[in-house]
Amino acid sequence: LAKTTQPISMDSYEGQEVNITCSHNNIATNDYITWYQQFPSQGPRFIIQGYKTKVTNEVASLFIPADRKSSTLSLPRVSLSDTAVYYCLVPDNNAGNMLTFGGGTRLMVKP
Amino acid sequence: GAGVSQTPSNKVTEKGKYVELRCDPISGHTALYWYRQSLGQGPEFLIYFQGTGAADDSGLPNDRFFAVRPEGSVSTLKIQRTERGDSAVYLCASSQGQGEKLFFGSGTQLSVL
Repeated sequence: LAKTTQPISMDSYEGQEVNITCSHNNIATNDYITWYQQFPSQGPRFIIQGYKTKVTNEVASLFIPADRKSSTLSLPRVSLSDTAVYYCLVPDNNAGNMLTFGGGTRLMVKP
Repeated sequence: GAGVSQTPSNKVTEKGKYVELRCDPISGHTALYWYRQSLGQGPEFLIYFQGTGAADDSGLPNDRFFAVRPEGSVSTLKIQRTERGDSAVYLCASSQGQGEKLFFGSGTQLSVL
């Protein structure tokens, strides 16, 4: 079973900021949190990774509170092309630290 | 090309047949992963190679599934006596090592009729 829980779907409009929160209550001390994006008919694509506090790159920001039991992916000013499935992953310590995908969050950006 | 390449992109076969799916990882990546994805679900881990050896094959659903990576580069996923339930997208990913960022191919859509 995936170790993360995230909303099944979200809707937004172009130009808005989108925040997707993921819970990972059993995250281990050394685990990083990684987010992937997947478009139809493509494999997932790495977006961002973080351990604590805040990480920002050209695509997104990742906010991680002090207890690290959740994380929030923030997409600034989304466009139609951001419509995709977003996966939050932490290593599965019961499966050799493999990255186990859950169902992800289906983000629909509307005009 | 610099990305992960998977062939064929689509494979249609009949129940009971044997199929091979190929993955060409990014050059220099020592880790290679196979995942399977059904419609509307996230990718499901199948097997992980570190170099030539299968470091973790705990995700293979049964003994009809087998994968090899004889020279530590290209990998082949082999499915014997295919069943309709095997229909899915089979994704391959590579990385510089375990725990490193995964780079996925576009997958092979397998349809078992």
